[in-house]
Amino acid sequence: GAGVSQSPSNKVTEKGKDVELRCDPISGHTALYWYRQSLGQGLEFLIYFQGNSAPDKSGLPSDRFSAERTGGSVSTLTIQRTQQEDSAVYLCASSLNGLNEQYFGPGTRLTVT
Amino acid sequence: QQQVKQSPQSLIVQKGGISIINCAYENTAFDYFPWYQQFPGKGPALLIAIRPDVSEKKEGRFTISFNKSAKQFSLHIMDSQPGDSATYFCAATRSNYKLTFGKGTLLTVNP
Repeated sequence: GAGVSQSPSNKVTEKGKDVELRCDPISGHTALYWYRQSLGQGLEFLIYFQGNSAPDKSGLPSDRFSAERTGGSVSTLTIQRTQQEDSAVYLCASSLNGLNEQYFGPGTRLTVT
Repeated sequence: QQQVKQSPQSLIVQKGGISIINCAYENTAFDYFPWYQQFPGKGPALLIAIRPDVSEKKEGRFTISFNKSAKQFSLHIMDSQPGDSATYFCAATRSNYKLTFGKGTLLTVNP
């Protein structure tokens, strides 16, 4: 079946602009995670959605970052007023019910110029 | 605070050799330890995982060894192949919640 998909695959934006990154989890997976991968920091947890529970936002680096999950499926990560240090690969993962293996999408490479 | 320490940063192995990557963790609440393989331009792919109630798990050429008392676990790749050349990440989590990753090991298998 289809895996986790993310769009766009690459995004170049100017400093100060807002960006939206999209994640389509595996069908039927109730848990969805966002991670960020950068050379300096490695792979970092950002936010976690599980069913109808309040999301765990403990990994978001600043209030410029926010995420939504509509209808328990698709998720959008929004970065407002982008900064150069936001340049990274943003990875989305999903798992069946938050208790099983996490499967990652291909990521969105964000470059802030 | 780096909760999962991974070594080495890079590793070069000859085809047919054994690749060994080590990780150490600090949080004793962690109860699930996966390894991920990542090729350039791709997302991490789950390779193998272990829970602390067993000391070893083997899947094909890949084996995880787990030492609960030492808070260490390692990945062994037997009969390493050029196609295994990738970056490997260990991770740890409690109840498969948010993953805490090691910094990664770049493995190169020479033909």
